[in-house]
Amino acid sequence: NAGVTQTPKFRILKIGQSMTLQCAQDMNHNYMYWYRQDPGMGLKLIYYSVGAGITDKGEVPNGYNVSRSTTEDFPLRLELAAPSQTSVYFCATQRLAGGADTQYFGPGTRLTVL
Amino acid sequence: GQNIDQPTEMTATEGAIVQINCTYQTSGFNGLFWYQQHAGEAPTFLSYNVLDGLEEKGRFSSFLSRSKGYSYLLLKELQMKDSASYLCAVLDSNYQLIWGAGTKLIIKP
Repeated sequence: NAGVTQTPKFRILKIGQSMTLQCAQDMNHNYMYWYRQDPGMGLKLIYYSVGAGITDKGEVPNGYNVSRSTTEDFPLRLELAAPSQTSVYFCATQRLAGGADTQYFGPGTRLTVL
Repeated sequence: GQNIDQPTEMTATEGAIVQINCTYQTSGFNGLFWYQQHAGEAPTFLSYNVLDGLEEKGRFSSFLSRSKGYSYLLLKELQMKDSASYLCAVLDSNYQLIWGAGTKLIIKP
């Protein structure tokens, strides 16, 4: 049982480049989330998905895109990377959206845009 | 707007007790979570409160007062491994988690 996996662990991009951050889960959770965490700041929700084929914007979606073609995978796409996207990106899953159900986090991807 | 406030940093001594406070103003309330995050790692779940009162789980306890928009996390018998950031997060009316910036707890021997 791998839980939530993210690749890559680290990445350096040049301004204007594109990349996809991968997130996969084997817990059969319907809900998946992408957050970014800047130093000394709380987590900010980028996009989320309530199930395969359904995605929605979070608090800070600009500059990002997502897709959810399967329950297991929820990739995050950065187009035209900018220095403001330098951050740590966490993917999380949750069985149910409400109640005491916790979110389970992947180990994170540390992205630097130069 | 939605807002969650926590102290930025706290220092405590090994073996002592520390209380980390969290105040919130959110659009709706469906529960409050505390997560622990060691440096360079992902957050991990500590506790969940949805009703007023104290929830105890081993060395950690969490308290909630919905009327005051206030919670605290109490850590007893502090150990060096408790050095971490502690994140307060509120589940709002849309069932989205709103996160505080976290409190960095430094434990000294």
